Amino acid sequence: DQQVKQNSPSLSVQEGRISILNCDYTNSMFDYFLWYKKYPAEGPTFLISISSIKDKNEDGRFTVFLNKSAKHLSLHIVPSQPGDSAVYFCAASAPGNTPLVFGKGTRLSVIA
Amino acid sequence: KAGVTQTPRYLIKTRGQQVTLSCSPISGHRSVSWYQQTPGQGLQFLFEYFSETQRNKGNFPGRFSGRQFSNSRSEMNVSTLELGDSALYLCASKSDLQGYTEAFFGQGTRLTVV
Repeated sequence: DQQVKQNSPSLSVQEGRISILNCDYTNSMFDYFLWYKKYPAEGPTFLISISSIKDKNEDGRFTVFLNKSAKHLSLHIVPSQPGDSAVYFCAASAPGNTPLVFGKGTRLSVIA
Repeated sequence: KAGVTQTPRYLIKTRGQQVTLSCSPISGHRSVSWYQQTPGQGLQFLFEYFSETQRNKGNFPGRFSGRQFSNSRSEMNVSTLELGDSALYLCASKSDLQGYTEAFFGQGTRLTVV
């Protein structure tokens, strides 16, 4: 039973355009959401997070949107750069000391 | 501040053997979690240790075990290795202070079982 779903295994975007990565979740107890970026042979690195009390959080070129009623979040990267090419993981956690639950990832390729 | 350190980076083991992986968290972080990453499966949670106690456990067989020492360093052990245990094993630490905080990952240990 997958509680965090990233339905697009891969995404290809031209340099300078917007990249939109999507994530859906099923557990209504989740109230904190994170995006991680992973390059080959490296561990995931934290990108941006959002609490369920917000519907948007920005950090430079990265913006995360949360739609609680649809149990959906998305990561927008504007403008996309070749160095953004990586696998992006969506993660969620519930209140209390519960572990992060990850999606299977979306491989983003930014083409110059 | 040094990041999360995992050793070794690469391991090749034979079916039936056992293996121990090590993780040193960021200084001051008391929570250490372990994840298994296989192609197409994302990151699957193994277990979390906090102050030397297992706080959470994922759905893995008992062949997977772990422990945490008083300095917060953690080890993960897999006994009776199977071919399907070949994966990237990731360790993550977090400060676990009040409120939500992100987890910081090490570079992982790539385990190959032959």
